[in-house]
Amino acid sequence: SQQGEEDPQALSIQEGENATMNCSYKTSINNLQWYRQNSGRGLVHLILIRSNEREKHSGRLRVTLDTSKKSSSLLITASRAADTASYFCATEYTSGTYKYIFGTGTRLKVLA
Amino acid sequence: DTGVSQDPRHKITKRGQNVTFRCDPISEHNRLYWYRQTLGQGPEFLTYFQNEAQLEKSRLLSDRFSAERPKGSFSTLEIQRTEQGDSAMYLCASSLVTAVQETQYFGPGTRLLVL
Repeated sequence: SQQGEEDPQALSIQEGENATMNCSYKTSINNLQWYRQNSGRGLVHLILIRSNEREKHSGRLRVTLDTSKKSSSLLITASRAADTASYFCATEYTSGTYKYIFGTGTRLKVLA
Repeated sequence: DTGVSQDPRHKITKRGQNVTFRCDPISEHNRLYWYRQTLGQGPEFLTYFQNEAQLEKSRLLSDRFSAERPKGSFSTLEIQRTEQGDSAMYLCASSLVTAVQETQYFGPGTRLLVL
């Protein structure tokens, strides 16, 4: 498969709780990005982390990158019902045919 | 609204027909990407342009698919002799490549249903 793997595939939490989703990839990357997609709509860019960075914050989002394990995690703190969406990681590989490879996504549901 | 528009938003066609989709990127963006997304999956890379040049094309893209970006502005994606397996959401994204990073801005997509 050309895609990375995300874990879990689906996640259901109560409003106010934290949500953590993970992304694993296969080969060396230049950067890794996280996107959100509301049902049936286009993707919205959330955050980019470069291969030489280990952690990055943006508002309620915290992203970590472990290049030795070829994995990243996205933490959403104090979740809201409006955070309900699918979340995808996308990796820019240093070699290969594809420019960006998207994961299979985590479907997050935040219950009010 | 990211500033990237796609037309049409929905397309229903019969197997064997040709279809063409259009993407209008953010005006100063020099890169334009096409992706295909099926239900429950992430976007799958199809091809991308740097200005008017098509730089990469997925080996998953059969010769029934062709894309153009004349004058480095809008882009079209044509599918000839459509098959039921072509039913998917087709997403366009544009970006401004700098020395530091690249962020893609996605359009709302064109949902294709082949009967």
